[in-house]
Amino acid sequence: AQSVTQLGSHVSVSEGALVLLRCNYSSSVPPYLFWYVQYPNQGLQLLLKYTTGATLVKGINGFEAEFKKSETSFHLTKPSAHMSDAAEYFCAVSAMNTGFQKLVFGTGTRLLVSP
Amino acid sequence: IAGITQAPTSQILAAGRRMTLRCTQDMRHNAMYWYRQDLGLGLRLIHYSNTAGTTGKGEVPDGYSVSRANTDDFPLTLASAVPSQTSVYFCASRENRGLNTEAFFGQGTRLTVV
Repeated sequence: AQSVTQLGSHVSVSEGALVLLRCNYSSSVPPYLFWYVQYPNQGLQLLLKYTTGATLVKGINGFEAEFKKSETSFHLTKPSAHMSDAAEYFCAVSAMNTGFQKLVFGTGTRLLVSP
Repeated sequence: IAGITQAPTSQILAAGRRMTLRCTQDMRHNAMYWYRQDLGLGLRLIHYSNTAGTTGKGEVPDGYSVSRANTDDFPLTLASAVPSQTSVYFCASRENRGLNTEAFFGQGTRLTVV
């Protein structure tokens, strides 16, 4: 069964610092991976996704993620954090289970950005 | 562009009462989902529907039921609410074209059962 693990429930950075949010996946088949962002009191919004092809994926708001099969990882990065990046971030893997498709989510990482 | 609309946005409910959370999408997506979000647990799938007229159970279906009479609507019903159902509920939809398609989410319903 496909799953994802997010390391660190909270990550704190200073404004302008590098953002690194970690996600490792488990999948017996080539995975389709997603990062979503959730701002306070809002729903989830897609940041980026990896399907096939280029392993470095660029998303919205300056975020990018690199698919590394050898490390079973899909870490999310941003070179310079902004205050507006403070939110919860979810990694997800697309899975097929007894005839239906679903997204399996990690437990989330809350990004805190200080001035 | 509305996308997915959930109602109500928040609700305080007495234990034992029946409640229906509404979800409507205007993207003509075949697949729809209900997730609950709890601190430290991420999002967990309650029920899903691959297409109008079909539904299925997710990871945490107990105490919940759904129906899918048409493409656009996917209501979630709590027959007799219990405090452990206090959570934030998200409805989502997705094109049923393959595993590489993303899901779109509503704004959520914050439910408190007292």
